[in-house]
Amino acid sequence: GAGVSQSPSNKVTEKGKDVELRCDPISGHTALYWYRQSLGQGLEFLIYFQGNSAPDKSGLPSDRFSAERTGGSVSTLTIQRTQQEDSAVYLCASSERTGGRDTQYFGPGTRLTVL
Amino acid sequence: AQKITQTQPGMFVQEKEAVTLDCTYDTSDPSYGLFWYKQPSSGEMIFLIYQGSYDQQNATEGRYSLNFQKARKSANLVISASQLGDSAMYFCAMREGGYQKVTFGTGTKLQVIP
Repeated sequence: GAGVSQSPSNKVTEKGKDVELRCDPISGHTALYWYRQSLGQGLEFLIYFQGNSAPDKSGLPSDRFSAERTGGSVSTLTIQRTQQEDSAVYLCASSERTGGRDTQYFGPGTRLTVL
Repeated sequence: AQKITQTQPGMFVQEKEAVTLDCTYDTSDPSYGLFWYKQPSSGEMIFLIYQGSYDQQNATEGRYSLNFQKARKSANLVISASQLGDSAMYFCAMREGGYQKVTFGTGTKLQVIP
């Protein structure tokens, strides 16, 4: 079946512009996660959704970052007034349920470059 | 303190040999799960194997096995009979108790030599 998809695959923007990154999870997966991976680094947790609600926003780096999920499906991560340090690969993952053994399935990521 | 520590930034292994990638973790929660993911140069994250803190046996998935030593808080990944396609970054990760956040280590870059 279809996996997690993300768009765009690459985004180049100028400092100060807003960007929207989209994640389409696996159908039926109730949990959705956003991570950030800077060059040569591990994954940094940003936020997760259970259904449409986000119980844990602790990883969002600043108030320039926000995310929403509608209809228990597609999620959008928005970065306002982008800065050069926002340049990274943004990965989305989904899982059938939260907690325990459930496995996160990752999308291919969006590579964001802020000039 | 780091919750997940991978001390090997890079590893080399001869094709067809076995290799062990180290991972130690830190948690006071008795209930947790440990994951290993593979990230090839293409960038996708591929789930390999899972070990729950209450699992009695070490997890195995094909050529992958997890050497789980609870008292030492280590969860090393063993890849048997390495293949060229195993060349990738490998990440160890942990989910604690009822929390949904998964914490990742910094990764180990494995290169398989023909």
